[in-house]
Amino acid sequence: IAGITQAPTSQILAAGRRMTLRCTQDMRHNAMYWYRQDLGLGLRLIHYSNTAGTTGKGEVPDGYSVSRANTDDFPLTLASAVPSQTSVYFCASSDSIFGTDTQYFGPGTRLTVL
Amino acid sequence: AQSVTQLGSHVSVSEGALVLLRCNYSSSVPPYLFWYVQYPNQGLQLLLKYTSAATLVKGINGFEAEFKKSETSFHLTKPSAHMSDAAEYFCAVKGGYNKLIFGAGTRLAVHP
Repeated sequence: IAGITQAPTSQILAAGRRMTLRCTQDMRHNAMYWYRQDLGLGLRLIHYSNTAGTTGKGEVPDGYSVSRANTDDFPLTLASAVPSQTSVYFCASSDSIFGTDTQYFGPGTRLTVL
Repeated sequence: AQSVTQLGSHVSVSEGALVLLRCNYSSSVPPYLFWYVQYPNQGLQLLLKYTSAATLVKGINGFEAEFKKSETSFHLTKPSAHMSDAAEYFCAVKGGYNKLIFGAGTRLAVHP
C-alpha cells in the first residue's frame, strides 16, 4: 500500500539520549517534512526537504537535525533529547515544492522524554 | 507572514445538526488554504483545499468551505453531522515557499 511509514510507533527515552525517528515514503514525492504536534499549538514545522540532497529549517528546528540521502527516506535525529521534545512527530510528503499540492502524512511517532 | 486562527478549540454538535468550524487567516499574498482532519491515533488527511479557483470548495465526506476574502475567512461546514465526523480538524495556510502553517485545531464531538 502506497504511503508513508514511520518508526517507531512510540518511544520512551531518557533525557540526554540520542534518537532517530525514521520516515519512508514510496510515492516518489520530491518534498518531505517533519512536524511536531503539541496540544493547543497545532502542528509546527521542524525541518523540510525540497528534494534529495537538500534540507531546510522550519519554525522549530533547534535540537533536531535531518538528512535526505535519497528520495524515499527522511530521518529526524534528536542528538541529545530533552523533556520539551516530548511530542507526537509526523512526517509528511508532497509531490511538488510549490505548496498547492496535498501533503500526505504518516501515522506519527509518539515520543516521551523523561 | 501568514497565520491562521481557529475559533473554538472544542465544538460539540448533535448527530444530524449543522457543523461549522471557523478559520480566519492572515496573509500578505493571495492565500492557499487547506482543511485537514485527524482521527484518533492517526495522521492528518486532506479534506479540501482552496487554490484561488472557485471560492466554494467541496471536499470529502460531505464537507465544504467557502473562501471569503472580505472576511479573511475559510470556514468549514457540513449540513448534517455524522458520528464518524468526530475528529480534530486543522485549518492551514501556505506559508513561504512550500510550507504549511497550521492552526491550533478544533476538536469536533458528535453526540446522539
